[in-house]
Amino acid sequence: DQQVKQNSPSLSVQEGRISILNCDYTNSMFDYFLWYKKYPAEGPTFLISISSIKDKNEDGRFTVFLNKSAKHLSLHIVPSQPGDSAVYFCAASESGGNEKLTFGTGTRLTIIP
Amino acid sequence: EPEVTQTPSHQVTQMGQEVILRCVPISNHLYFYWYRQILGQKVEFLVSFYNNEISEKSEIFDDQFSVERPDGSNFTLKIRSTKLEDSAMYFCASKRTGITDTQYFGPGTRLTVL
Repeated sequence: DQQVKQNSPSLSVQEGRISILNCDYTNSMFDYFLWYKKYPAEGPTFLISISSIKDKNEDGRFTVFLNKSAKHLSLHIVPSQPGDSAVYFCAASESGGNEKLTFGTGTRLTIIP
Repeated sequence: EPEVTQTPSHQVTQMGQEVILRCVPISNHLYFYWYRQILGQKVEFLVSFYNNEISEKSEIFDDQFSVERPDGSNFTLKIRSTKLEDSAMYFCASKRTGITDTQYFGPGTRLTVL
């Protein structure tokens, strides 16, 4: 039951360029979306989130875009830095419950110096 | 900056043994969660805990699993009789309240069942 999908298992980007990570979801009840970054043997670290009432949220180098009609969100990182190399997880939750997170399978981002 | 802590970082156990994984959530948080990640797979929800009781659990969270908040700071996950397939990273998370509050994760406990 893959309610949240990240179809690219890996992505390589040159340092200084834009990294775009994509995520699709199927559950129309999801109304809050988050991106987490994860290093090996560490817990997920929160990056940025977006509520379904918005279509864009920006925080420094990170911007998340939400297209509700397409059930698609993306994370843009500009400019990409070597420290951004990690696995990025998209997660979603629905209000009214306990807001458990449903995660995607992750995209491994490698920034090439 | 406050953070979620977990102990131990790595636990090795024999099949059939009981294990207790411990977490200290962020102090003013009210919602607590356990997730796990089997190697190479995605992070999966196990259970949520609020107001001293389980609020939701996944199908993974069967009778072998239990959670407890024995005092004002600790949040534990117990697996009564471990199986080989319980080998995974277990993550504790907490959040203050509300849909738009963020869940903050601990560093995880790697459980290896032999």
